[in-house]
Amino acid sequence: QSVVTQEPSFSVSPGGTVTLTCGLTSASVTSSHSPSWYQQTPGQAPRTLIYGTNIRSSGVPDRFSGSILGNKAALTITGAQADDESDYYCVLYVKSGLWVFGGGTKLTVL
Amino acid sequence: QVHLVESGGGVVQPGKSLRLSCVASGFALSDYSMHWVRQAPGKGLEWVALISYDRDNSYFADSVKGRFIIFRDSSENTLYLQMNSLTPADTAVYHCARGRPFNYFDSWGQGTLVTVSS
Repeated sequence: QSVVTQEPSFSVSPGGTVTLTCGLTSASVTSSHSPSWYQQTPGQAPRTLIYGTNIRSSGVPDRFSGSILGNKAALTITGAQADDESDYYCVLYVKSGLWVFGGGTKLTVL
Repeated sequence: QVHLVESGGGVVQPGKSLRLSCVASGFALSDYSMHWVRQAPGKGLEWVALISYDRDNSYFADSVKGRFIIFRDSSENTLYLQMNSLTPADTAVYHCARGRPFNYFDSWGQGTLVTVSS
């Protein structure tokens, strides 16, 4: 059974850079897993940030970027702002007809 | 503008059934794959089900396989999730989401809360 791993929490200073990762317990993450990233604040629907590993969704600031780093997908926030404080989820397309979310990373900006 | 609105949530006893709806506007539901994604209270997102855009093939997470059915009514532009044999572990906010190439979700509804409790 595929398990997608994310850091439970991360902290970044305003203006700083942070990289969140998304791994797979059973294999290396590649672009074939179509990594995508979502931002969610409490009580709200998720907001799509990145898809296809590194394509920014419409309206997403360019301080958000996606990549593959080593054997994981990564979301980098460059120049973090206070309103970036949210939960971040990755999801991987692990096989035909199966998507698996990571457990999410709670990002604190302070 | 794409808009998705879920409804049908509520409190239901274990073992009972419930049907969720997701009304789409701004696009034709039949042209897209559609998903259900849920979030238990205080927990992360969990992918639940997909109905494909082309042949209406459906796929499910192991946790709901054999109990949930996903279908749509193109004339009503509405997506449904029929949930049977519910257990407390199914308690969650259920979101519908539009699927896109690159296997991601580009639009989300606000969700409807399902509580399974005796």
